[in-house]
Amino acid sequence: AQKITQTQPGMFVQEKEAVTLDCTYDTSDQSYGLFWYKQPSSGEMIFLIYQGSYDEQNATEGRYSLNFQKARKSANLVISASQLGDSAMYFCAMNTGRRALTFGSGTRLQVQP
Amino acid sequence: EADIYQTPRYLVIGTGKKITLECSQTMGHDKMYWYQQDPGMELHLIHYSYGVNSTEKGDLSSESTVSRIRTEHFPLTLESARPSHTSQYLCASSDPGQGASYNEQFFGPGTRLTVL
Repeated sequence: AQKITQTQPGMFVQEKEAVTLDCTYDTSDQSYGLFWYKQPSSGEMIFLIYQGSYDEQNATEGRYSLNFQKARKSANLVISASQLGDSAMYFCAMNTGRRALTFGSGTRLQVQP
Repeated sequence: EADIYQTPRYLVIGTGKKITLECSQTMGHDKMYWYQQDPGMELHLIHYSYGVNSTEKGDLSSESTVSRIRTEHFPLTLESARPSHTSQYLCASSDPGQGASYNEQFFGPGTRLTVL
């Protein structure tokens, strides 16, 4: 069975600082994909970044990077230079090609001025 | 830019009413999904479809039903709404052509349902 664990229910960060949101996963599949989504208070899910299990380099998308440590089964999201608009829920998710994504419980990030 | 739409965005309805939540996408995606999410909580898969006339139940048991008569349309129906159905319902679609492990899902804006 696939499982995603996000152990930080809430995080605070000062504007312009970097923040790391933790995500660990569990799967017996060799081929899988890891995703991060952002959910603002308006409710929509916004795709941020993707990491494939066979990708050797960590994924980056603008201010977002994914710290992928395969042996530890972790896929932490790093947001650099936090902005007030980054305040939202962040969900880590995994796909093994079987059905749909498996989501973690989320981390609520609040960026303080 | 993803083109997936959900209507209504907000719905307040009384117990016992039949409701249909609409979801449409214009990307030609074969795979579509319905998730249920309580405020601030994780998403739970309740239904998915691999294509026309293909529907399956998800991980979370739901009294809702779905249909997939056209590729672009994946409505969810509750025959008799109850207060326990109060939640946000998110529709998503994905393109399997990008590889089995990729499967980026594009989400609609969601429907916030309140059953009184």
